[in-house]
Amino acid sequence: AQRVTQPEKLLSVFKGAPVELKCNYSYSGSPELFWYVQYSRQRLQLLLRHISRESIKGFTADLNKGETSFHLKKPFAQEEDSAMYYCALSASFQGAQKLVFGQGTRLTINP
Amino acid sequence: KAGVTQTPRYLIKTRGQQVTLSCSPISGHRSVSWYQQTPGQGLQFLFEYFSETQRNKGNFPGRFSGRQFSNSRSEMNVSTLELGDSALYLCASSLGTGAGYTFGSGTRLTVV
Repeated sequence: AQRVTQPEKLLSVFKGAPVELKCNYSYSGSPELFWYVQYSRQRLQLLLRHISRESIKGFTADLNKGETSFHLKKPFAQEEDSAMYYCALSASFQGAQKLVFGQGTRLTINP
Repeated sequence: KAGVTQTPRYLIKTRGQQVTLSCSPISGHRSVSWYQQTPGQGLQFLFEYFSETQRNKGNFPGRFSGRQFSNSRSEMNVSTLELGDSALYLCASSLGTGAGYTFGSGTRLTVV
């Protein structure tokens, strides 16, 4: 079965401090992992996908298959980073796809 | 280019009624998925359509159904509404595997 776990429901850090949002997954196949962000009163937006190994808004995430993790990191948090963050796994079977989401982490950046 | 468009934005229905929600994907995206978002259960997968065919279905009762048209637009239908169906219903479209999904703003359904 596919499962995504985000152990922290709430995370609060001060502006300028490093941020790490944890994500662990369980999947028997080759995983495709994403981070989505939902700012207040906005739609869910794709932040990062592991396949592209990019950095968006200063955030990075590395897939660690040994630890089955895909933690999201940013060295210096900014107030505009306050949002709900979801880690998601794309599970595919014979071409059919679905996203399996973690429960989300609400990140608050304090001034 | 236009994003994923969902209509209507808000709906209030009575228990026992049925409802149809609509989703227009990004032009060129042939995969359309539906998700239910609630405070208690989070984001849960409902179904995925590709080229008018349902390829995948989540663990929801048969009251939840959907379809996709030849222009990739999709609708989902919920019959015999229950109070627990109150949720934000999100539609997402994708180019394909590894491309990521673009979400619409959702339809907020309230069942009273």
